[in-house]
Amino acid sequence: ETGVTQSPTHLIKTRGQQVTLRCSSQSGHNTVSWYQQALGQGPQFIFQYYREEENGRGNFPPRFSGLQFPNYSSELNVNALELDDSALYLCASSLAAASTDTQYFGPGTRLTVL
Amino acid sequence: AQKVTQAQTEISVVEKEDVTLDCVYETRDTTYYLFWYKQPPSGELVFLIRRNSFDEQNEISGRYSWNFQKSTSSFNFTITASQVVDSAVYFCALSEGWGQAGTALIFGKGTTLSVSS
Repeated sequence: ETGVTQSPTHLIKTRGQQVTLRCSSQSGHNTVSWYQQALGQGPQFIFQYYREEENGRGNFPPRFSGLQFPNYSSELNVNALELDDSALYLCASSLAAASTDTQYFGPGTRLTVL
Repeated sequence: AQKVTQAQTEISVVEKEDVTLDCVYETRDTTYYLFWYKQPPSGELVFLIRRNSFDEQNEISGRYSWNFQKSTSSFNFTITASQVVDSAVYFCALSEGWGQAGTALIFGKGTTLSVSS
C-alpha cells in the first residue's frame, strides 16, 4: 500500500510568483487536506477536498486555491507569493471527510519565498 | 473556540528516562477526537493515536501510553524508557463533531523532545 506522497520536496520562488504543489493520496482515500506549517509552529489548516469539491477552508486568503482530481490526487496553488508564505506545506489523506477519519500525512513540500 | 495548548516547548532527557508530554484542549463540543502525531526531522507527521471523547480508558502501546482526562481537558502522552529515536517534535491535535464533513485538525504548537545517549 502506497502512502501519501508529495512533490516537489523543496521549492524556491521569488515574491509575486505563483507555485503549484502536488499530493497523491493513500490508496482508498477520497479526501485530501492541506496544511501550512511555519517554522516552530503547528500545522494550520488551509482547506480540504472531498470527492473533487472543496469541503472546508481555514483562514487563508483566496490566492490559496486547490483542485482534486478523479483519482483523488490534489494540487495546492498559491498566487502572488509573499515572504510569509515560506513554510512546510503538508498534505494529508483520509478515508473520508468526517472527523472520525484519521488523517495520514505526506512528507511535505518546503517552500522558500525570497 | 477550539484550542490545543502544549505548554512544554522543549524537553531534554537522557536515554531510559520516562518523559510525559502535556496536552490541554478547549472545545465546546461534547463529541470530539484527540490525536498525537510525531514529526521527526524529515518533516512527515506520523500518526500515533486517536481517542474519541467517549472513551476515557488509558491506552498503552509498547513504550507509549496515553492518559485522557475529560475532567481536566487533558490528553497526556508518556514515553517509558526513552530512546534516541524518540527525538522529534510531538503534536497534539483536536477535531470536533461526529461524522461531520470538512473537519480540520487543530494542532498545538508542539513539544520538541531531545533524547541524548
